[in-house]
Amino acid sequence: QQQVKQSPQSLIVQKGGISIINCAYENTAFDYFPWYQQFPGKGPALLIAIRPDVSEKKEGRFTISFNKSAKQFSLHIMDSQPGDSATYFCAARGNTGTASKLTFGTGTRLQVTL
Amino acid sequence: DGGITQSPKYLFRKEGQNVTLSCEQNLNHDAMYWYRQDPGQGLRLIYYSQIVNDFQKGDIAEGYSVSREKKESFPLTVTSAQKNPTAFYLCASRTSGGSQYFGPGTRLLVL
Repeated sequence: QQQVKQSPQSLIVQKGGISIINCAYENTAFDYFPWYQQFPGKGPALLIAIRPDVSEKKEGRFTISFNKSAKQFSLHIMDSQPGDSATYFCAARGNTGTASKLTFGTGTRLQVTL
Repeated sequence: DGGITQSPKYLFRKEGQNVTLSCEQNLNHDAMYWYRQDPGQGLRLIYYSQIVNDFQKGDIAEGYSVSREKKESFPLTVTSAQKNPTAFYLCASRTSGGSQYFGPGTRLLVL
């Protein structure tokens, strides 16, 4: 019930291409869906986030698409660059009272080649 | 320069030893969190605190303890009861809007 399933586990994209990472969830009580970017040996950095009343959110080259009925959301990285090579995590927040806990996907390792 | 700091960057634990990981934030956030990261498993919640002098167990609290005596500080102790402590430990704090921001992490290794 609390799981967030993320795919693919790894992804190789050519420079200039579109990177797409998908996540699916079961718990309809989740109310906030962030994406994090993590470089090796560093802490995750909040990239972009969406709430379920919005179907799409765009910030620069990063777009979240959200499908509430299918309980799925995805991250699209347009014009992918070698500097985007990192591990990406989706997450979902379940509000148990005011606890605001995040459940994370298992991560996607993105490599952008020249 | 606001943010979350964690120390040390690397920590070595001998068998039977308790070790304490430091987490400090100057963002004036009420809520703070500790996560453990293992390869291929994402981040798992160890403990969290929504306010000073209060904290709750997360999904994998066994073998860990925390305290929250000050708003700025949320130290994590890895006790000798934690049999597999080797991992990357991440501290986070949360804004009033619900966004969590992470520190740089501490890598714990067992000698």
